[in-house]
Amino acid sequence: KAGVTQTPRYLIKTRGQQVTLSCSPISGHRSVSWYQQTPGQGLQFLFEYFSETQRNKGNFPGRFSGRQFSNSRSEMNVSTLELGDSALYLCASSFQHATNEKLFFGSGTQLSVL
Amino acid sequence: GQQVMQIPQYQHVQEGEDFTTYCNSSTTLSNIQWYKQRPGGHPVFLIQLVKSGEVKKQKRLTFQFGEAKKNSSLHITATQTTDVGTYFCAGPARQLTFGSGTQLTVLP
Repeated sequence: KAGVTQTPRYLIKTRGQQVTLSCSPISGHRSVSWYQQTPGQGLQFLFEYFSETQRNKGNFPGRFSGRQFSNSRSEMNVSTLELGDSALYLCASSFQHATNEKLFFGSGTQLSVL
Repeated sequence: GQQVMQIPQYQHVQEGEDFTTYCNSSTTLSNIQWYKQRPGGHPVFLIQLVKSGEVKKQKRLTFQFGEAKKNSSLHITATQTTDVGTYFCAGPARQLTFGSGTQLTVLP
């Protein structure tokens, strides 16, 4: 059974640009969550999608957005990139993101903003 | 909102020594999960604790959930170089709030 797949693995952008990251969950998983990981801030929750609907959102500015498709694949978009957006972006999937479910993480997309 | 604090932030141990990381929540947790992230890797689920006072073991790893369900700990006995990584606890909030993690370095 394939794991969670994130593309691209690495990305270099400049300030002001926008970026789209992709996440394919484990087959059968309908929930996809996104996290930002930085050395100083740990894992910060961005948002969670289930059946194409955003169910929860963390405390990030509106420049961060996402969506989920009917096949459960998800994308997140960051517009008007800032230097502080440099981070590892992780997505995680689960069947339905119940509070007792474990998350399966992808390898992440390492975003560098210059 | 819910906050999950984890200490220590860093821990260096000599191979063979024991290691403990502690997790404290500002609110009562229905359950708590632990994840491990190897350097350059992604978080991998280790275990979930649900019951008050619960203790679970995985080989050299012992996980405890406090009686009040507001704190938890992970203890590793006789660390090995394979234990290197960052250990996170995570609360069960809808958005699974992660602790700040404890980065473990094991010196050979």
